[in-house]
Amino acid sequence: NAGVTQTPKFRVLKTGQSMTLLCAQDMNHEYMYWYRQDPGMGLRLIHYSVGEGTTAKGEVPDGYNVSRLKKQNFLLGLESAAPSQTSVYFCASTNVNEQFFGPGTRLTVL
Amino acid sequence: GENVEQHPSTLSVQEGDSAVIKCTYSDSASNYFPWYKQELGKRPQLIIDIRSNVGEKKDQRIAVTLNKTAKHFSLHITETQPEDSAVYFCAADGTSYDKVIFGPGTSLSVIP
Repeated sequence: NAGVTQTPKFRVLKTGQSMTLLCAQDMNHEYMYWYRQDPGMGLRLIHYSVGEGTTAKGEVPDGYNVSRLKKQNFLLGLESAAPSQTSVYFCASTNVNEQFFGPGTRLTVL
Repeated sequence: GENVEQHPSTLSVQEGDSAVIKCTYSDSASNYFPWYKQELGKRPQLIIDIRSNVGEKKDQRIAVTLNKTAKHFSLHITETQPEDSAVYFCAADGTSYDKVIFGPGTSLSVIP
């Protein structure tokens, strides 16, 4: 099993560009999450999903959109990237308690 | 909503000494308190967790204690080793069973 995977691993965007980050899990987990990690601020929840077709806002949802069309995939979209969205993005999934994290995506917005 | 604070933000200890990281939470309805370890350049991984009906839990050199009255919980690492060097995050679930809120993290350095 691959666990939780994220695509891409690195990306550089210019201000105003758009992109989609893909998270995939093969553990049949119901819950999936998108976090951003910035120095000194821990892991902040952007959006999450409690099942296929459902999404909800987390702590810092502004500027991001998500979709969960298939149970195994959770997509994070940036419609118009801003320098403040420079961060490391982690996806995670779980059924009960323990969250399994992906390897992360390092995004730089110039 | 839930707010989790964590102290200290950085901690240096000599190899073999103990390390203690403390977290406080705001929502008295919180029931689940996990701790994650993140090594440099890697993903966070669960190392231990505790539920509100338990005051203490131990797993080899790692232990977690919970004081629900004071709304704080702590991670204790004994006989520290260089491989314990990492960033440690605490978290709490608040009133929502389907997500947790993380603290800002503690960077632990174990000096050989």
